[in-house]
Amino acid sequence: ETGVTQSPTHLIKTRGQQVTLRCSSQSGHNTVSWYQQALGQGPQFIFQYYREEENGRGNFPPRFSGLQFPNYSSELNVNALELDDSALYLCASSLEGTPSTDTQYFGPGTRLTVL
Amino acid sequence: GNSVTQMEGPVTLSEEAFLTINCTYTATGYPSLFWYVQYPGEGLQLLLKATKADDKGSNKGFEATYRKETTSFHLEKGSVQVSDSAVYFCALSQQTGANNLFFGTGTRLTVIP
Repeated sequence: ETGVTQSPTHLIKTRGQQVTLRCSSQSGHNTVSWYQQALGQGPQFIFQYYREEENGRGNFPPRFSGLQFPNYSSELNVNALELDDSALYLCASSLEGTPSTDTQYFGPGTRLTVL
Repeated sequence: GNSVTQMEGPVTLSEEAFLTINCTYTATGYPSLFWYVQYPGEGLQLLLKATKADDKGSNKGFEATYRKETTSFHLEKGSVQVSDSAVYFCALSQQTGANNLFFGTGTRLTVIP
């Protein structure tokens, strides 16, 4: 069983630029969630995708957007980067419609640094 | 609203000591409760979970009991090892809607030989 993978591992951008982060869900999972983890903090929910539709969103501005593809992989896009966007971005997958729908499995994360 | 409060860290223990990390929550309804662990340089790994009151989650010698009356889910281990050094996150999710996780701020545990 393949786990959740993310790319790239690390990324450095400058303020105002745009970035795309990628995630491949665990085999068989149809739901993907994205979280932002600032240094020394717990992860904060950005949004969730289920069957290619946004299924919930946390308190993040519209410049944070996402996509889920038919193979259940996903992208997180951030426009007009700000210094405070520097964080570890975590992707998590789960399988809706089973007794374990509330268990999310996390990838290793992408470390984004905005200069 | 939904929120999780964890005991302040960092926590430093000697090998074979007893571990308790306190976690309390605020939520509507009947959330599921989780402990995740993050080893240095890695993502989050599910350690254990409980989905209803009085359930006990356990894994790798760690355990936590879902206490609805005290809205708590304290993590315990009888004898810690150096390899348990990591950051531990308590989290909850509602069993409806997006079932996204609400995390505490994490507690860093260091176990010294």
